[in-house]
This record gives sequence, C-alpha cells and structure tokens, in this order.
Amino acid sequence: DGGITQSPKYLFRKEGQNVTLSCEQNLNHDAMYWYRQDPGQGLRLIYYSQIVNDFQKGDIAEGYSVSREKKESFPLTVTSAQKNPTAFYLCASSPHRDNRPYEQYFGPGTRLTVT
Amino acid sequence: DQQVKQNSPSLSVQEGRISILNCDYTNSMFDYFLWYKKYPAEGPTFLISISSIKDKNEDGRFTVFLNKSAKHLSLHIVPSQPGDSAVYFCAASAGNYGQNFVFGPGTRLSVLP
Repeated sequence: DGGITQSPKYLFRKEGQNVTLSCEQNLNHDAMYWYRQDPGQGLRLIYYSQIVNDFQKGDIAEGYSVSREKKESFPLTVTSAQKNPTAFYLCASSPHRDNRPYEQYFGPGTRLTVT
Repeated sequence: DQQVKQNSPSLSVQEGRISILNCDYTNSMFDYFLWYKKYPAEGPTFLISISSIKDKNEDGRFTVFLNKSAKHLSLHIVPSQPGDSAVYFCAASAGNYGQNFVFGPGTRLSVLP
C-alpha cells in the first residue's frame, strides 16, 4: 500500500541530545514537509523539500536540520539548540502538478518528549 | 499574527444534523483552500479543497463554501455522523509551490449520538 511512514511513534530523549525522526514515502511525491503541532495550535512548517538534494526553511526552522538524499526519505534532526523540542511532529508529502501546491498526505506522526 | 483563524475551538452537534465549521483568513493572496480532519495521535487526512475561482465544492456529505469578499470559508457536513468527531483544520495557500500552506488552529467537532 502507498503511504507515508514515520518512526518511531513515541520518542523520549534527555535534554542536550540530538534526535532524528524518520519519514519515508512510497507515493512518488516530489515534495516533502515537516510540521510541528503544539497543543491548541495549528501545524507550523519547519522545513520543506521540493526535490532531492534541495530543501528550504519554513517558519520555525531554528534548532532543526534535514536532509533529502533520496526522493523517498526526508529525516528531521531535532538538535540540542531547539529550545522547546517536546511536540508532535508530522511529516507530509504532496504531488507536484502545474507548479501548484495540492493536498498533502500526512504520516501518523511522532510524539517527541524531551526531559 | 494568525493568517488563518478558526475562532471556534470546539463544536457539538447531534447525529444526523448539519455541522458547520468556519474559517477566516486575512491574506488576500490566498487562492487555494483545504480542509483536513485529524483524529488524536494520527496525521491529518485531506477532506476537500476549493480554488478561489469557485464559491462551492461538494464531495458526498462534505461541502465547502468560499466567500472571497468576506475572506471566509466554511465546511458543511450533512448529515453528521459519530465517526466525524475529530479536529478539523482549515489550510490556505498563496499560489507558490507547497511552502505557503498556512494552517488554522483547528476546531474540535463532537457528534453526539
């Protein structure tokens, strides 16, 4: 079945440690995104990538890093520089048609807790 | 400053009745709008979209209305079912590819049996 997978579903880390969240898609989508959701808030864009080996900062990129070495994969690293890393992280992908943004398909999310 | 607002954090509706979820936006450059549904601890799923060249789009029980002059859109669910209970996000984009999706804070819909 086609879709987006994120792993793990729950992740616990000590403060000061870097942690990498996995995101894989087999939908053959060009674009991939990372969002963060905090309680009572909408989704905020961290990073996005339109094509392999290229990515752009979103609204809240500070303290995060990404890579896009393969079309299928877009891992997100939460570094120790991120001041409030505890959140629900969502990865998404979308098809590329006519240079328009279309509906995004989301993974199940990873809940990161840093203590 | 929120560009996409959903002023009702929650809404309760009886099963079988109409659910109306509202969304307001401030950026007049937004020209494509989407609604997503999200269950707890899951990713959002796409429901329905509308382009600014239309004022209505229907898909089964779901209809989205767009009022460009008021910068307002609404999602109607008829009839509402208990399985519709979820958080609904409105999102908007402004033409450029992908990166301009802006999400509202969401409205939690509870459909009561």
